[in-house]
Amino acid sequence: NAGVTQTPKFQVLKTGQSMTLQCAQDMNHEYMSWYRQDPGMGLRLIHYSVGAGITDQGEVPNGYNVSRSTTEDFPLRLLSAAPSQTSVYFCAGQASPTVVLVETQYFGPGTRLLVL
Amino acid sequence: DAKTTQPPSMDCAEGRAANLPCNHSTISGNEYVYWYRQIHSQGPQYIIHGLKNNETNEMASLIITEDRKSSTLILPHATLRDTAVYYCIVRANNAGNMLTFGGGTRLMVKP
Repeated sequence: NAGVTQTPKFQVLKTGQSMTLQCAQDMNHEYMSWYRQDPGMGLRLIHYSVGAGITDQGEVPNGYNVSRSTTEDFPLRLLSAAPSQTSVYFCAGQASPTVVLVETQYFGPGTRLLVL
Repeated sequence: DAKTTQPPSMDCAEGRAANLPCNHSTISGNEYVYWYRQIHSQGPQYIIHGLKNNETNEMASLIITEDRKSSTLILPHATLRDTAVYYCIVRANNAGNMLTFGGGTRLMVKP
């Protein structure tokens, strides 16, 4: 049981390049989400998904796309990288968005992205 | 989700209790208080959550005031490995979006 995994761990991009950050979980989580973390700003929600085929925007969705073709995978795509997207990106999984008493999020180890 | 206020940083001696405060004066009746922490270069880790009663688990205790406008996370015997940023979050159980993290408290446990 690997939990929530993310690849790559580090990435350097040039402005205008595109790339996909991978996220996978083997815990049968219905709910998955992507956050970015910037110094002094905590975590900000980018996109989230309540199940396969369903995605929605979070606080800072501009410049990012997501898809959820399977329960296990939730990739985040940067369409045209900008220096403002330099950040640490975390993917998180959760069993259910509605059962509060057992609700916790399991975070992946993060992807550090530098856009030059 | 209600906003929370936490001190930006705190120090604690190793072996002593670490008491981390959080103000959430606009909390609604259906909102829970959650605590997470993030150790350097790792993803956030869930610690504990509660609605109005005090809670305890193997990691920590959560004390919520009677008016629910503030809470305290207690690490009873802090170790060097507890050095991390601690986030207090309030959230309703029917919220569509996931947890929104603020700036948190940077706890430094010193030998």
